[in-house]
This record gives sequence, C-alpha cells and structure tokens, in this order.
Amino acid sequence: ILNVEQSPQSLHVQEGDSTNFTCSFPSSNFYALHWYRWETAKSPEALFVMTLNGDEKKKGRISATLNTKEGYSYLYIKGSQPEDSATYLCAFYLTGNQFYFGTGTSLTVIP
Amino acid sequence: DAGITQSPRHKVTETGTPVTLRCHQTENHRYMYWYRQDPGHGLRLIHYSYGVKDTDKGEVSDGYSVSRSKTEDFLLTLESATSSQTSVYFCAISKTTSGNHNEQFFGPGTRLTVL
Repeated sequence: ILNVEQSPQSLHVQEGDSTNFTCSFPSSNFYALHWYRWETAKSPEALFVMTLNGDEKKKGRISATLNTKEGYSYLYIKGSQPEDSATYLCAFYLTGNQFYFGTGTSLTVIP
Repeated sequence: DAGITQSPRHKVTETGTPVTLRCHQTENHRYMYWYRQDPGHGLRLIHYSYGVKDTDKGEVSDGYSVSRSKTEDFLLTLESATSSQTSVYFCAISKTTSGNHNEQFFGPGTRLTVL
C-alpha cells in the first residue's frame, strides 16, 4: 500500500480568493500523478495528468505543479468561484495500471 | 464519457444477504476497477481486472469477490453483507488518452446500505 497524503483535508474560502492544496506521494518509482475533481453526487473527473519533474499544467483558473524529487504536487485555484466547490483528489500511478488515491481536499467556496 | 454504467444505483439490504453489483462498459477496455468511497478515506481499491478471468486484489478486498467472464462486465459480490460494507461503490476503467497516458474514468456509483 502506498501512502498518498493530501492537505488540508478541507477548507472554506471566500469567492474571489485564491487557494492551493498539496498532494504528497512516494518519490521513488514515480510514473505519473493525476488530479481529479469530484463534485458531490457525481463521479470523479480527471483534471490533469503530470509525469515530468517541474511539469506545470493549467486549465482555466486551475493549475498544478509537480516535484517528483521531493514527492509533492500543488493544485492552485485562482479567484475561486462557488462552482469550484468540490473534492479534489490526487492519485499516484504506478506501472501495472494501479492508481493510489489520496483522501482528498474538500473545497467550499462561499459566495 | 467512457460508456460506463453501474447497476443498481441504489440498494438497501440486510446483514448476511449476498449482494452483486454490476459494472458495464461499452468500449472494450482491458482494465476495470472497483473502489469504495467512505468519508475520510477517499477512494480505496477493492479489486481490479486486467482481462477476462484475470483479477487481482486491492487494498480492501476482504469480504468481496469479483468476476469478469466478459470484457464488458465486471461484477462485485459481497457474499454476506455486513454493515461495514455500507458505502458508495465506484467502478472505473483505465484507458490511454491522446497524451499516451493512462487515465481512469468512473461510473456513476452505487450507493449500498446494509442494515
């Protein structure tokens, strides 16, 4: 079992604030790191797949960075909106098609 | 949309009864997975399959069995349901996307309550 940790577990921010959260994973045998967005009563949806140290991905107001040497990834949301409220999951991917998920960060954006 | 459906979507059952959940996919993906989602635990892998009749255990496999007799169907069975198996169950497939990465796509989930 691989330990993938996310922090904080939950946070509440005001509309318009920018925020970020962390995913920590084993730095050895790294293959890929996935970020998912999971809205209540829906299924997780993929946001980013990151594979290279120093990778930075962006989708609208959401971006992510990757540091494979120290084993962490940050997810940033700029100018949070109520529709950003969701749980954000990261998953560490090993060869053999196994994904190890963190426990998620629950984000609530207050209008 | 990876063409994944789960049935039933909701089920209430009693302790000790057998329960089978079905995951169906329409795109012939090789890898299929069953996860359970519980507060404070994120998604935990129960079992996965890498082809017809090829399955393996995940992190929380005790009390569960799976079968895959056809590429499109992956069944999860609780032989004798317990209250600790009350959870939301997600099926997923893995497919290679345009960037040559393997990504997971999830079904809509099955909410199971064991009384």
